[in-house]
Amino acid sequence: ETGVTQSPTHLIKTRGQQVTLRCSSQSGHNTVSWYQQALGQGPQFIFQYYREEENGRGNFPPRFSGLQFPNYSSELNVNALELDDSALYLCASSLDDRASFTEAFFGQGTRLTVV
Amino acid sequence: RKEVEQDPGPFNVPEGATVAFNCTYSNSASQSFFWYRQDCRKEPKLLMSVYSSGNEDGRFTAQLNRASQYISLLIRDSKLSDSATYLCVVNSGGSYIPTFGRGTSLIVHP
Repeated sequence: ETGVTQSPTHLIKTRGQQVTLRCSSQSGHNTVSWYQQALGQGPQFIFQYYREEENGRGNFPPRFSGLQFPNYSSELNVNALELDDSALYLCASSLDDRASFTEAFFGQGTRLTVV
Repeated sequence: RKEVEQDPGPFNVPEGATVAFNCTYSNSASQSFFWYRQDCRKEPKLLMSVYSSGNEDGRFTAQLNRASQYISLLIRDSKLSDSATYLCVVNSGGSYIPTFGRGTSLIVHP
């Protein structure tokens, strides 16, 4: 176990709805990154949060937003859900923003299905 | 052309076989290369980094060919437990953002 927990593990939403996914980072880690992994694809970087500030963003529209709390846990919010948002959403925590991503620990993910 | 390309497979091999996967990348400025393993419905886990001189970890050998812009992973003496998806990851210098390939599926059968 990595110590990174995500909730919920599975979720079904309707197109147009909004969803919030949560990630509790490993103790002592202040950096959280979020990834989207569609079926049959590799993870795609969404964004990273370091000390409660967005610290890098991939090629995702503004309806994907995030938040990091003082205890370094994080949320991923997706508005106006589309069918193509159906995917496994992974978060990864690392010690700080200078750490190599290979030193990040992944959670087991939230599987989101949009119908 | 995608930044990182992998043959999705599946590669279906018997136990004990040797199997190799390649991964090509388009950004010649890429500096860091890795192989991750992902089991079905699980999170990715780092398998090994890929160094310019090549590196070996037990039955696994990784190599980098900068001239042709590809990395490879060789698995010798395949075990049933090697069945998984192998993700190639490339990181460009100065950027935190890693780029994952779509993965190559390996199925090792008895």
